[in-house]
Amino acid sequence: NAGVTQTPKFQVLKTGQSMTLQCAQDMNHEYMSWYRQDPGMGLRLIHYSVGAGITDQGEVPNGYNVSRSTTEDFPLRLLSAAPSQTSVYFCASSYRGTYYGYTFGSGTRLTVV
Amino acid sequence: GDSVTQMEGPVTLSEEAFLTINCTYTATGYPSLFWYVQYPGEGLQLLLKATKADDKGSNKGFEATYRKETTSFHLEKGSVQVSDSAVYFCALLYGNNRLAFGKGNQVVVIP
Repeated sequence: NAGVTQTPKFQVLKTGQSMTLQCAQDMNHEYMSWYRQDPGMGLRLIHYSVGAGITDQGEVPNGYNVSRSTTEDFPLRLLSAAPSQTSVYFCASSYRGTYYGYTFGSGTRLTVV
Repeated sequence: GDSVTQMEGPVTLSEEAFLTINCTYTATGYPSLFWYVQYPGEGLQLLLKATKADDKGSNKGFEATYRKETTSFHLEKGSVQVSDSAVYFCALLYGNNRLAFGKGNQVVVIP
């Protein structure tokens, strides 16, 4: 089925460990984004990309890296996990243009202990 | 910067009641506006959208009208069902197709 696929769905990390959250879309969308969702905070933008090879920081980029080597994939790397990064992470993608809404993945629930 | 404000607190109501969730925005120009819904344990789904002033977005019995005079995009449904229980997010599109979200409202519909 067409859509945004995120893996893993759940992850527990120890403080200081690194990991990569995977995100892939098969809709040929130019735009991709990573958000984190925390209680009472809504969704906050971490990093985004307007096309392959182009990424930029969002509202809360510290502690995270991204790359976009292909149109389909947009992985999010946690460099050295901290308890403050415990959250639910969502990847989303969209066509270029103001008419389109974003399609979201089902999320990754990350706990850092 | 561009931002969205949703009314505070959860919303609890009985089945078949009228639902309103308030959303106001601050933006330069006239951004596209969206409502997203998140059911328990799931990702966000686009519920409806409006891309210019006076547009009305509608889907599944929900409606919202883009009001530039009051910079608002309130969500309404005439008769809610238990299956409408979810978290609802208002959002706007700003530079480079980025989305800014409100904090969301938990809606609980009691049978």
